[in-house]
Amino acid sequence: AQTVTQSQPEMSVQEAETVTLSCTYDTSESDYYLFWYKQPPSRQMILVIRQEAYKQQNATENRFSVNFQKAAKSFSLKISDSQLGDAAMYFCAYFSNRDDKIIFGKGTRLHILP
Amino acid sequence: DTAVSQTPKYLVTQMGNDKSIKCEQNLGHDTMYWYKQDSKKFLKIMFSYNNKELIINETVPNRFSPKSPDKAHLNLHINSLELGDSAVYFCASSQRLEAFFGQGTRLTVV
Repeated sequence: AQTVTQSQPEMSVQEAETVTLSCTYDTSESDYYLFWYKQPPSRQMILVIRQEAYKQQNATENRFSVNFQKAAKSFSLKISDSQLGDAAMYFCAYFSNRDDKIIFGKGTRLHILP
Repeated sequence: DTAVSQTPKYLVTQMGNDKSIKCEQNLGHDTMYWYKQDSKKFLKIMFSYNNKELIINETVPNRFSPKSPDKAHLNLHINSLELGDSAVYFCASSQRLEAFFGQGTRLTVV
């Protein structure tokens, strides 16, 4: 069965610094997608970034970028120039066309220190 | 326009009651889901529907029954509510490359 593991329950970073959130997953599929979702205190789930497994190039969205290592089944999120508004729970998620369901990691709570 | 809307946002009810949570999406997506987020923030899939048909039914008590009258709606009905059902329930829809979530319904069973 596919699993997603986030080994860091909580992290803190100084404002304007860079932080990396870790995620590993386990799958036997070759066609899948990986996501990072942000859940601020408002509870809304917000898509931060998406990576297609067939693409070798790492996805980037403004200050957010990923380090996708397919062979190692690793999908880390880097947040540059951290801002107070980045404080939230971050969930790594996996989706495969075959299973048609999104599997989430347990989340990492990110604190931004002013 | 809200892409995925859930009602109500908050629901407080007594043990043993029956309640429903409604979900509607205006994105034209074929697939809709219900997720449960427990007190530790862990998100776990409960059900998945594709074009009104049940695709996934994870290990969920049969007190939980999803109903999809059309592909834009996926409602969740819960019978005989228990204290352990207290959680935040998220509805979502997807078209494979992205999932859109509702704002969640915080259910508190007292």
